[in-house]
Amino acid sequence: KAGVTQTPRYLIKTRGQQVTLSCSPISGHRSVSWYQQTPGQGLQFLFEYFSETQRNKGNFPGRFSGRQFSNSRSEMNVSTLELGDSALYLCASSLAELRRGGGTDTQYFGPGTRLTVL
Amino acid sequence: AQSVSQHNHHVILSEAASLELGCNYSYGGTVNLFWYVQYPGQHLQLLLKYFSGDPLVKGIKGFEAEFIKSKFSFNLRKPSVQWSDTAEYFCAVNRRYSGAGSYQLTFGKGTKLSVIP
Repeated sequence: KAGVTQTPRYLIKTRGQQVTLSCSPISGHRSVSWYQQTPGQGLQFLFEYFSETQRNKGNFPGRFSGRQFSNSRSEMNVSTLELGDSALYLCASSLAELRRGGGTDTQYFGPGTRLTVL
Repeated sequence: AQSVSQHNHHVILSEAASLELGCNYSYGGTVNLFWYVQYPGQHLQLLLKYFSGDPLVKGIKGFEAEFIKSKFSFNLRKPSVQWSDTAEYFCAVNRRYSGAGSYQLTFGKGTKLSVIP
């Protein structure tokens, strides 16, 4: 079974631009979560999507948004990029919505998209 | 603030040494606990997880972790490390947020393990 895939793997943008990252979950997985990983802040939760609906959101500004399609693929968008948005963006998928089963579902992570903002 | 703490930023060990990585969390109530590993150039992988039952959990590659509820701890252990264990290790806690019943995985800052042959 193929793992979580993310495209593109590397991206360079300039301040003020916007960017869209894509994530394809493991086949059959319906929940997709996004995380930002930086050396200073570590891994931080951005949001979770399930059945094309955002189920939960972390403490990030509204410039960070996402969506999920009917095939469970998800995209994340960052508008008006800032230097501080440079990070590794990770996508993780799980079978069910995170709150099902009392949060016991394992999340499987993709390789990430390395975003550099100049 | 509610958090997950990993006390060691970087641990350096010789092969065959024993390993213990600390993880403490500050949430009350029911939590689900995970350890993930990120090998150089690879994506995050699950090592082990704890939901309930026996507080000593065994994972892949000889790793184990012990949940001590009274200490809010979930320390990772391995009796004898190998060079191939060189990686970054992340403790994570999944807990219920607010009345909406949402869950959110909160990670510690990670511990880099370097094993010297």
